[in-house]
Amino acid sequence: EIVMTQSPATLSVSPGERATLSCRASQSVTSNLAWYQQRPGQAPRLLIYGASTRPSDTPARFSGSGSGTEFTLTIGRLQSEDFAVYYCQQYGEWPRTFGQGTKVEIK
Amino acid sequence: QVQLVESGGGVVQPGGSLRLSCVASGFKFGRFGMHWVRQAPGKGLEWVAFIRYDGRSKKFEDSVEGRFTISRDDSKSTLYLQMSSLRPEDTAVYYCAKEGSSCVGDCYYDIWGRGTLVTVSS
Repeated sequence: EIVMTQSPATLSVSPGERATLSCRASQSVTSNLAWYQQRPGQAPRLLIYGASTRPSDTPARFSGSGSGTEFTLTIGRLQSEDFAVYYCQQYGEWPRTFGQGTKVEIK
Repeated sequence: QVQLVESGGGVVQPGGSLRLSCVASGFKFGRFGMHWVRQAPGKGLEWVAFIRYDGRSKKFEDSVEGRFTISRDDSKSTLYLQMSSLRPEDTAVYYCAKEGSSCVGDCYYDIWGRGTLVTVSS
């Protein structure tokens, strides 16, 4: 099983600042990496797929990068609705696996 | 409007059974692989099961293999998860999720339902 490790567990950021979240895979997943956002009491929502592709409804301030085993989600100029938990997921191997999540909280 | 709506959750005793349903609307259900993902209270996301668009391939997470089955009825645009021999550690919100429209083979999830809570407790 591919283990996905996210860091940090919690990130304290002021509104308007930039946030950088990391995700590491225990073995290469090439670019089969997605990022999801989960706000309290809500279902997860797709933010990024293919490591760096934004669906049409994902704001441009969200960007993803990386390939192989190291991935980054960057949120530029954090807005109030961006304070949430973010999960990475690999979908290249079975079983599909998620990271443990990074909580982005208001500083 | 593209939507997934889960139902069937509830409280069940250890060793019991439950069937979850996920009704899809707003897209051609029979063209997409579907997954179940769960989230224990206060915890992260855990993939549970997958069924291919044609129903011919199914995958399960190790801890549910042999206890859970996944199926689909394309005429009803409905996904199912039959859960048996339930354990307290199966307590979670269960989400159904649709594979992305631009995928070929391995796929992310572009639509999620709101989830249904399963509580396994005596």
